[in-house]
Amino acid sequence: DMKVTQMPRYLIKRMGENVLLECGQDMSHETMYWYRQDPGLGLQLIYISYDVDSNSEGDIPKGYRVSRKKREHFSLILDSAKTNQTSVYFCASSGGGGAETLYFGSGTRLTVL
Amino acid sequence: QQKVQQSPESLTVSEGAMASLNCTFSDGTSNNFRWYRQHSAKGLEVLVSIFSDGEKEEGRFTAHLNRANLHVSLHIREPQPSDSAVYLCAGGNTGKLTFGDGTVLTVKP
Repeated sequence: DMKVTQMPRYLIKRMGENVLLECGQDMSHETMYWYRQDPGLGLQLIYISYDVDSNSEGDIPKGYRVSRKKREHFSLILDSAKTNQTSVYFCASSGGGGAETLYFGSGTRLTVL
Repeated sequence: QQKVQQSPESLTVSEGAMASLNCTFSDGTSNNFRWYRQHSAKGLEVLVSIFSDGEKEEGRFTAHLNRANLHVSLHIREPQPSDSAVYLCAGGNTGKLTFGDGTVLTVKP
C-alpha cells in the first residue's frame, strides 16, 4: 500500500525553538515536497526535492530549510521558529517526470507560541 | 506565479443530487490538472487527473478540462454524506502543483 508518513501529527513549540518535521515514503519516489496550508491561502509550496541532495526552493522558502539524505526520507527544518510559521505542514511525493500524481501525508499541525 | 480560483467557496447538496465544482486558472502554464479531496484534519486524496481537453471519469467523479478557457470542473454523481469534504483543484507543470483554496462540499442525507 502506497504511503507517505509524517511525524509528528501535532507539535507545539515556543518562538525561537528549532523544529524538525519528518516525512517518509515507501514508494521509492524520486520527488518529494513540503507544503503548508493556511486558511485563505490554500496550499503553498515550500521546497521540492528531486532526489537525494537535490533540493529546490518553492514559492515560500524563507525561514525553512530541508534535508534529503535518503530517497525515502525528507525533512523540513525551522531554525528559530516564528509565530507566523504556525500552520499545517504537508509532505508529498511523486514518481517524477512532471506529470505524476502527488501523494500526500496526513499533515503535521505545528503551533508556535 | 499562477493563481487558481475555485468556485463556489461552499456548496450544499442533497444526497443523490449532482454536485458541480469549478476551477479557473490565471494563465496557461499548467499542463496537467488534478482534483483532490481533503476530509477534516486529514491528508489529500487524489480523485481525478486530467491532461487533455475533454472529460475524464473515475468512478462517480468526472473532470472536464477546457484549456482555452483555463477552466477545469469536477462533477460528482450521486454524492453521499461521506463525500462531505474540501475539494481542491491543482494545476501542474514540471512536477510543481499550484492549488486553489478549495470548495467546502456538504452532502445532506
